[in-house]
Amino acid sequence: GDSVTQMEGPVTLSEEAFLTINCTYTATGYPSLFWYVQYPGEGLQLLLKATKADDKGSNKGFEATYRKETTSFHLEKGSVQVSDSAVYFCALSDNTNAGKSTFGDGTTLTVKP
Amino acid sequence: EPEVTQTPSHQVTQMGQEVILRCVPISNHLYFYWYRQILGQKVEFLVSFYNNEISEKSEIFDDQFSVERPDGSNFTLKIRSTKLEDSAMYFCASSGGPNRYTGELFFGEGSRLTVL
Repeated sequence: GDSVTQMEGPVTLSEEAFLTINCTYTATGYPSLFWYVQYPGEGLQLLLKATKADDKGSNKGFEATYRKETTSFHLEKGSVQVSDSAVYFCALSDNTNAGKSTFGDGTTLTVKP
Repeated sequence: EPEVTQTPSHQVTQMGQEVILRCVPISNHLYFYWYRQILGQKVEFLVSFYNNEISEKSEIFDDQFSVERPDGSNFTLKIRSTKLEDSAMYFCASSGGPNRYTGELFFGEGSRLTVL
């Protein structure tokens, strides 16, 4: 079945540091890929997405590129802020069967001033 | 901005009791889901619902679980006889409308279930 593997956390960075959270996936067919963010005490919200190979999703300074050859969708940000502290989930949707999404285990990011 | 709403935000129940969690998806969405999250980490798929029937369910979604869309707006998850291990945050999500399914999920704020 489909699966998503995220780098293990937690990740602690200083403000303005560069962020990379690795994500790789296994899927049959051609999934869409997503990063969701969960701030403390809140639900998940979409951060960015990519629907086909070589697409780059971007939002709020975060970017991720859909790499079919390496089955990866790594999340990056050039300069993190304290307000970016949250749990980040990589996910894929199989685009069939009402599009069940499969999530990675989540990576907790803490940014210190 | 349209949003998914869930009630209650927190429910405490005794083991063996029935629980109903309620959700109001975004009004023009056609796909509905329940996920759960234990200990604030892994997000686990429970069930997807489309065209008034279950389209897929996970191994977690056994005979103790059921879903219903009793009217045009609500989407409910029922747990018939709760167990301690059902304690989790339950998230409702909705997605997609006619000719514009994107795979993107819109989540509610969650309902925290505590089984004692």
